[in-house]
Amino acid sequence: AQTVTQSQPEMSVQEAETVTLSCTYDTSENNYYLFWYKQPPSRQMILVIRQEAYKQQNATENRFSVNFQKAAKSFSLKISDSQLGDTAMYFCAFMKALNNDMRFGAGTRLTVKP
Amino acid sequence: DTEVTQTPKHLVMGMTNKKSLKCEQHMGHRAMYWYKQKAKKPPELMFVYSYEKLSINESVPSRFSPECPNSSLLNLHLHALQPEDSALYLCASSQVVGPRGAEAFFGQGTRLTVV
Repeated sequence: AQTVTQSQPEMSVQEAETVTLSCTYDTSENNYYLFWYKQPPSRQMILVIRQEAYKQQNATENRFSVNFQKAAKSFSLKISDSQLGDTAMYFCAFMKALNNDMRFGAGTRLTVKP
Repeated sequence: DTEVTQTPKHLVMGMTNKKSLKCEQHMGHRAMYWYKQKAKKPPELMFVYSYEKLSINESVPSRFSPECPNSSLLNLHLHALQPEDSALYLCASSQVVGPRGAEAFFGQGTRLTVV
């Protein structure tokens, strides 16, 4: 079974600065999808960004971008120009392409300071 | 409409009660999920339905019984729960996995307390 590891339980960043959250995963699958989800205190899980494993190009969504290293099984999230509203738990998630089996890492609690 | 609606938002139940959690989506998604999330922990996968058929059951105790009556609805029937079952229960939906991937959309969850 695949495992997802987030090694940073907590991080903080000053408003307007850049922060990178780490994620590694272990799988024998060749086709899969990776996601970053954000969960603010309101508890709603919100998709931040997605990456298809077959795509070499790193995904970007406005201030959010990923560094996807397939050989290293690494999938980090970079948040540029951090805003107070980015304060939340961030979960890295892995989904097999064969089915809808989606698993989450332990999460990183990010605090953006004014 | 990119909404997944879960009801109720909060539920307190006794260990002998029977209750149900409901989840509804109108995005045309044919995969629906139940996750359990304890405080300060990640969501744990419980069940996945694909085309209204149970495709993944993560060895969840039988006191949790899922049901997918149609492509828009997902229920979780609860019976004889234990206090350790208290958690946030999240429902999600997505396309069945294909070439375009299948990001999941989540509801706001049901906060369940078993007394």
